[in-house]
Amino acid sequence: SQTIHQWPATLVQPVGSPLSLECTVEGTSNPNLYWYRQAAGRGLQLLFYSVGIGQISSEVPQNLSASRPQDRQFILSSKKLLLSDSGFYLCAWSVIGGAGEKLFFGSGTQLSVL
Amino acid sequence: AQSVTQLDSQVPVFEEAPVELRCNYSSSVSVYLFWYVQYPNQGLQLLLKYLSGSTLVESINGFEAEFNKSQTSFHLRKPSVHISDTAEYFCAVSDRYSGAGSYQLTFGKGTKLSVIP
Repeated sequence: SQTIHQWPATLVQPVGSPLSLECTVEGTSNPNLYWYRQAAGRGLQLLFYSVGIGQISSEVPQNLSASRPQDRQFILSSKKLLLSDSGFYLCAWSVIGGAGEKLFFGSGTQLSVL
Repeated sequence: AQSVTQLDSQVPVFEEAPVELRCNYSSSVSVYLFWYVQYPNQGLQLLLKYLSGSTLVESINGFEAEFNKSQTSFHLRKPSVHISDTAEYFCAVSDRYSGAGSYQLTFGKGTKLSVIP
C-alpha cells in the first residue's frame, strides 16, 4: 500500500532562519507531488507541484522553493523565513495518469515563525 | 480563474441533528468537485467527489453532496450527525490540468463542524 510521510509535525523557527521540510512517498512510482499551505483564516493554497525528478512548477511567487532530488522525495525550503511563512504545510501525491481524481495528503507540518 | 467559497467558518450542531455545509464555486469551464475532511490531529482525507454522471454523490459514512450547476453549488449534507463527525471540512474544485493526466485543486477556507452531545 502507498504511504506518505511528512516531517516534522511541528516546527518553531526564528525569523531569518532557514527551513527544510521533507516529504517522502512509498509504494508508488512516478507520483505527482504537491506542497500546499493553509495560512490562518485562509484556504489551502497550492505552492508547488512536480511531475518528475527535477521538474518543479511554482504557483505563487514567494519566499519558498521546492526540490525533488528523487522520484518519491519532495523538499520545501527557505533560505530566510519571514513571519508570513507561518502556517500549516501539507505534502500530497497523486498518481500520474489517474486524472488527478484523488490527492493523498500527509499529516502536515505546523510551522510557527517567531 | 476558479474560486471556492465556504460561507460558514464554524457550524455547531447537536448530535443526531441534520447538517448542511455550504460550498459555492466560480469557474468559466467545467469542473470536478470534491469534499475533503480533516479530523483532529490527522491529515486531509477525500470524503466524496463529483466527476460526471449523477449529480448526487454519497460517501460511506452517510454524507452526501449534490452538484447544482445553475447555482454553482456543491453543498454537503448529512441527515443525522455523530460526535465522530467533528472535523474540519474543505470543499475543492479542479478545472486545471497540471500535466501527465493530473489536475490541481483549489480549496475553500474550510468549515469547522462541531457536534454537541
